[in-house]
Amino acid sequence: KQEVTQIPAALSVPEGENLVLNCSFTDSAIYNLQWFRQDPGKGLTSLLLIQSSQREQTSGRLNASLDKSSGRSTLYIAASQPGDSATYLCAVIRQGGSEKLVFGKGTKLTVNP
Amino acid sequence: DGGITQSPKYLFRKEGQNVTLSCEQNLNHDAMYWYRQDPGQGLRLIYYSQIVNDFQKGDIAEGYSVSREKKESFPLTVTSAQKNPTAFYLCASNGGTNTEAFFGQGTRLTVV
Repeated sequence: KQEVTQIPAALSVPEGENLVLNCSFTDSAIYNLQWFRQDPGKGLTSLLLIQSSQREQTSGRLNASLDKSSGRSTLYIAASQPGDSATYLCAVIRQGGSEKLVFGKGTKLTVNP
Repeated sequence: DGGITQSPKYLFRKEGQNVTLSCEQNLNHDAMYWYRQDPGQGLRLIYYSQIVNDFQKGDIAEGYSVSREKKESFPLTVTSAQKNPTAFYLCASNGGTNTEAFFGQGTRLTVV
């Protein structure tokens, strides 16, 4: 059974700091990994999708990497801003299974002005 | 605008009542999903459908039912058999295993 873990559960940083969020998964046979952002009381917003054949994806100040063999992904946020405060979730789709998204519990990020 | 629409945003259910949450997408996606989110629990999969007229149970299907009669619609019914239905419900869709998944804005269900 695929399990996804995100560490830390919560993170508080001063504005301007570069930071890394971690995601690990137990079964390396995945189709892709996706990072999402969730604001309080809202749905999930897709940030980046990394397919299994890719090593990283970039969008603006965000960079996500994928190491399938070790079952790890990181989301790097450069020059953090208070507007980045949200919960960040990662999810994978496992190969050979039911092709459903499996989520971690998320990292709650607070960027202090 | 393409996207996923969930309605209503807030829903109140009396004890013993069935309620239906709506999820509509105009992304032409084959796969649709229903998740439940509780504080500290993360997202848990209730049901998913990979094609019209077919759906599978997720990890916590008991007390819920779905239908997939049209590609763009995947309604979720919370039945009276669901003993603890108060939660935030999220609907999602994607076009296949290597495509991006998108979510609706959620429905908050409260038992009164």
